[in-house]
Amino acid sequence: DSGVTQTPKHLITATGQRVTLRCSPRSGDLSVYWYQQSLDQGLQFLIQYYNGEERAKGNILERFSAQQFPDLHSELNLSSLELGDSALYFCASSPRTAEYGYTFGSGTRLTVV
Amino acid sequence: AQTVTQSQPEMSVQEAETVTLSCTYDTSESDYYLFWYKQPPSRQMILVIRQEAYKQQNATENRFSVNFQKAAKSFSLKISDSQLGDAAMYFCAYESWSGYSTLTFGKGTMLLVSP
Repeated sequence: DSGVTQTPKHLITATGQRVTLRCSPRSGDLSVYWYQQSLDQGLQFLIQYYNGEERAKGNILERFSAQQFPDLHSELNLSSLELGDSALYFCASSPRTAEYGYTFGSGTRLTVV
Repeated sequence: AQTVTQSQPEMSVQEAETVTLSCTYDTSESDYYLFWYKQPPSRQMILVIRQEAYKQQNATENRFSVNFQKAAKSFSLKISDSQLGDAAMYFCAYESWSGYSTLTFGKGTMLLVSP
């Protein structure tokens, strides 16, 4: 157990639907990162939150949004889902800085049918 | 923007042998951090080893070691005495020195280990 908890582990939904992925960071970590891993794109950075505030944005679609709550857990919201959104979504966390790398959760496998 | 390149999509090694995975990166910064992550079939991302660019000494973690060539912007991972459990996708990653940036990953190298 890495200490980073992601739920659900698997999600199957239809095109056009909206889903919410949840992440609880490792105890003491203030930063949360979301990555998308698909077969042909590798690990793509989506967004980072630090202590409740958005810190960095990557290749995140406008249909996607995220937030970090006062208890530091984070949610990634994916709407108007398309087949191409099927992927493994990772949450990772780090202390104030990430000079020692990230601790990853086990991911949420999203399948859009 | 920094880029990380892993030129070997797949590598094979026999148990007990040594294998080296390659990684090159492009940056204009002088201080930064480099990482190797392992992703086994379970899909969990596991940190294998970390290198600080300002340190000349190559990092070592048990059977895993790196060959860090700063001038050449090269960061290869050597796995000694390979084990079946080493079979996984390996990702090289870069982070700016401040630690406030995000990790940039290469596309990965799949390591196959045969008995």
